[in-house]
Amino acid sequence: NAGVTQTPKFQVLKTGQSMTLQCAQDMNHNSMYWYRQDPGMGLRLIYYSASEGTTDKGEVPNGYNVSRLNKREFSLRLESAAPSQTSVYFCASGRTSGDLFGPGTRLTVL
Amino acid sequence: SQQGEEDPQALSIQEGENATMNCSYKTSINNLQWYRQNSGRGLVHLILIRSNEREKHSGRLRVTLDTSKKSSSLLITASRAADTASYFCATPMYSGGGADGLTFGKGTHLIIQP
Repeated sequence: NAGVTQTPKFQVLKTGQSMTLQCAQDMNHNSMYWYRQDPGMGLRLIYYSASEGTTDKGEVPNGYNVSRLNKREFSLRLESAAPSQTSVYFCASGRTSGDLFGPGTRLTVL
Repeated sequence: SQQGEEDPQALSIQEGENATMNCSYKTSINNLQWYRQNSGRGLVHLILIRSNEREKHSGRLRVTLDTSKKSSSLLITASRAADTASYFCATPMYSGGGADGLTFGKGTHLIIQP
């Protein structure tokens, strides 16, 4: 039972490049989330998926797209990376007793 | 926008002492959660308290919720070096049910001095 896994752990991109961050959970949770955390800040919600087949925008969705591939997997795509997207990205899946977070992806956009 | 705000932003205490941090929020909620984040790591869920609860315990943790003041506190008793971390409160983003994500404060950075 791995919980929430994220790949990659680290990534460096040049401005304008694209990439997809992968997230998977093995707990059969319906809801999954993507957050970003900037230095000295709390987490901000980018997108969420309340159930398989649905996705919705969170607080800071601009510049991102998501796919809920199946119940296990929820990916985040940056189509044209910008330096403002340099951040640590966390995926989470939801339980009624509190969400479980992945270890994060540290992304730098040059 | 961030719903919760933790206070203080930073706290340094001696090992064995108790640590108290507070969270204030703006709108009505049906639950509030506390998370811990060790440096460079993901968040770990500590405790969830529902709006109809006033106090909840988990090991050395005690959480209170005052919905009339829109505030919560996290008490860590008999602190240990391993408690050094940032602590965040989180509340439901939109509908109050929690399935549509959480909003976090900026956190309290707790340092336990040996």
